[in-house]
Amino acid sequence: DTEVTQTPKHLVMGMTNKKSLKCEQHMGHRAMYWYKQKAKKPPELMFVYSYEKLSINESVPSRFSPECPNSSLLNLHLHALQPEDSALYLCASSQEGKRNTGELFFGEGSRLTVL
Amino acid sequence: QKEVEQDPGPLSVPEGAIVSLNCTYSNSAFQYFMWYRQYSRKGPELLMYTYSSGNKEDGRFTAQVDKSSKYISLFIRDSQPSDSATYLCASPTLSGGSYIPTFGRGTSLIVHP
Repeated sequence: DTEVTQTPKHLVMGMTNKKSLKCEQHMGHRAMYWYKQKAKKPPELMFVYSYEKLSINESVPSRFSPECPNSSLLNLHLHALQPEDSALYLCASSQEGKRNTGELFFGEGSRLTVL
Repeated sequence: QKEVEQDPGPLSVPEGAIVSLNCTYSNSAFQYFMWYRQYSRKGPELLMYTYSSGNKEDGRFTAQVDKSSKYISLFIRDSQPSDSATYLCASPTLSGGSYIPTFGRGTSLIVHP
């Protein structure tokens, strides 16, 4: 079982809804990531948090709003999404600083469908 | 040109076959190389991690890096149906203080009994 837990596993929402995806890890990692993955495509980086601060935003539309309340939790708030935003959203974590080897630990993902 | 190129497949082999999965990369700054395995409807998991050129073996899996030709390979011996998955090669680069993997598009492998 993965040590990165994502909820919900599946989410269906309308274009006017507001919802959130949640991610939790207890490995003591200080870097956390959101990726988006479409079918038969590699994961695309969206956001990186390092020591609870947003360090990378890959020009993601503002309808996606990340939040890192503490070192174990990562949220992705969703509002006014489009059908093309339907995808698998993956959370990952990693060591940071000198112990960062680039190895990411992924959760199982939240499969989002926007109607 | 993408920085990491990978044939998407699918690659279909019989059980017990030797599988060869390959990637090429264009960025000479890449120093570390990884293979992730992703089962259907799951997140990727790290399978192999290599730093230098040459081979690294772990059970039935062997990762090979040739930096002179910018070529990365993963060999699977005695392939099993449980090896059926998408295999993503990746190389991490330092960005914003974090090592961020650049992924290939993944190769879908099907091992049939």
